[in-house]
Amino acid sequence: DAGVTQSPTHLIKTRGQQVTLRCSPKSGHDTVSWYQQALGQGPQFIFQYYEEEERQRGNFPDRFSGHQFPNYSSELNVNALLLGDSALYLCASSLPGGGSYNEQFFGPGTRLTVL
Amino acid sequence: GENVEQHPSTLSVQEGDSAVIKCTYSDSASNYFPWYKQELGKRPQLIIDIRSNVGEKKDQRIAVTLNKTAKHFSLHITETQPEDSAVYFCAGQGSNTGKLIFGQGTTLQVKP
Repeated sequence: DAGVTQSPTHLIKTRGQQVTLRCSPKSGHDTVSWYQQALGQGPQFIFQYYEEEERQRGNFPDRFSGHQFPNYSSELNVNALLLGDSALYLCASSLPGGGSYNEQFFGPGTRLTVL
Repeated sequence: GENVEQHPSTLSVQEGDSAVIKCTYSDSASNYFPWYKQELGKRPQLIIDIRSNVGEKKDQRIAVTLNKTAKHFSLHITETQPEDSAVYFCAGQGSNTGKLIFGQGTTLQVKP
């Protein structure tokens, strides 16, 4: 049983560019959450997708958008990249419904560097 | 707003000693509190969690306590081993929300 997978592993972009990160949830999970983890910090919640809709959003600008597909996989898109967007982007999946009490399983992350 | 404070930021102990990490939360609606261990360059992995209807939970050398009145919870690791060295994150989650609010992390170093 594959756990949460993410691609790519590493990515280097320049300011102003756009990036798309991908996540496949753990088998049996239908809810996907995205987090940004800056170096030396705890993960910060970006948004959560359930039933192909954004269900909840953290304090991130509209440059951050996402999508969930019918097979529950998800994409995170970031437009007009800034140097401050450099971070580890983590995807986490959870059991159906994704409500409270459901453990979130994290993927290995995508390390984004913006030059 | 929602916030989770975690202390200390770094902790160094001798192998075999105990380690305690403390967190406080601001959202009184929080009802689920997981602890994650993150080794360098790896994903966060859940090591233990506690729900608001329980005051204490133990799993072998790891235990977590929760004081809802004071809005704080703690991680206790006994008989520490070098492989316990990592960054530990506490988190809180409110009811009817999938959003985890993380603390700033504690870097634990266990010296052999």
